[in-house]
Amino acid sequence: GDSVTQMEGPVTLSEEAFLTINCTYTATGYPSLFWYVQYPGEGLQLLLKATKADDKGSNKGFEATYRKETTSFHLEKGSVQVSDSAVYFCALSKSYNTDKLIFGTGTRLQVFP
Amino acid sequence: GAGVSQSPSNKVTEKGKDVELRCDPISGHTALYWYRQSLGQGLEFLIYFQGNSAPDKSGLPSDRFSAERTGGSVSTLTIQRTQQEDSAVYLCASSLDRLQLFFGSGTQLSVL
Repeated sequence: GDSVTQMEGPVTLSEEAFLTINCTYTATGYPSLFWYVQYPGEGLQLLLKATKADDKGSNKGFEATYRKETTSFHLEKGSVQVSDSAVYFCALSKSYNTDKLIFGTGTRLQVFP
Repeated sequence: GAGVSQSPSNKVTEKGKDVELRCDPISGHTALYWYRQSLGQGLEFLIYFQGNSAPDKSGLPSDRFSAERTGGSVSTLTIQRTQQEDSAVYLCASSLDRLQLFFGSGTQLSVL
């Protein structure tokens, strides 16, 4: 069946370090891909998305490129801040909309000053 | 309210009891979703409501789980005869355009 696999956390970084959180997927067809973020004490919120191969989603300095050849959607940021500390979830949808998202297990990021 | 509101935030119950979890979506959002997150697992889709259409119940794990949405707004997820494996965080989300989900903070359910 369709699934999303994320690197296990926690990922611990110093402020201004480069961030990569790996995400790979298994799905038939052409899914849409998403990154959601959950800050402490808050609900999940959409960070960025890409709906077709080679699309790059970006927001708040984060980027992810939809790579169909490697079935990946890795999240990157060039310089993390303490305020980026959160849990990051990769997800896919089999349709253009967000019905029945399939999520990964989440990766906790801890950024220290 | 400004966001999706869920209550209670924490619920501890005894095995075999029934529980009801409530979700107040963002006003005007026609789509409403329930997910759950068990320890060490990703979020698992449970059920989806869209307007007046019949809900998509394909993710409900057993017939002990049911949900309703009254008046196209508030939703209640009911778990009958709770089991220890039902312990999880139950998340509700709503959407206006089905392109972006807005999640509540969840209900942490613990079944003893």
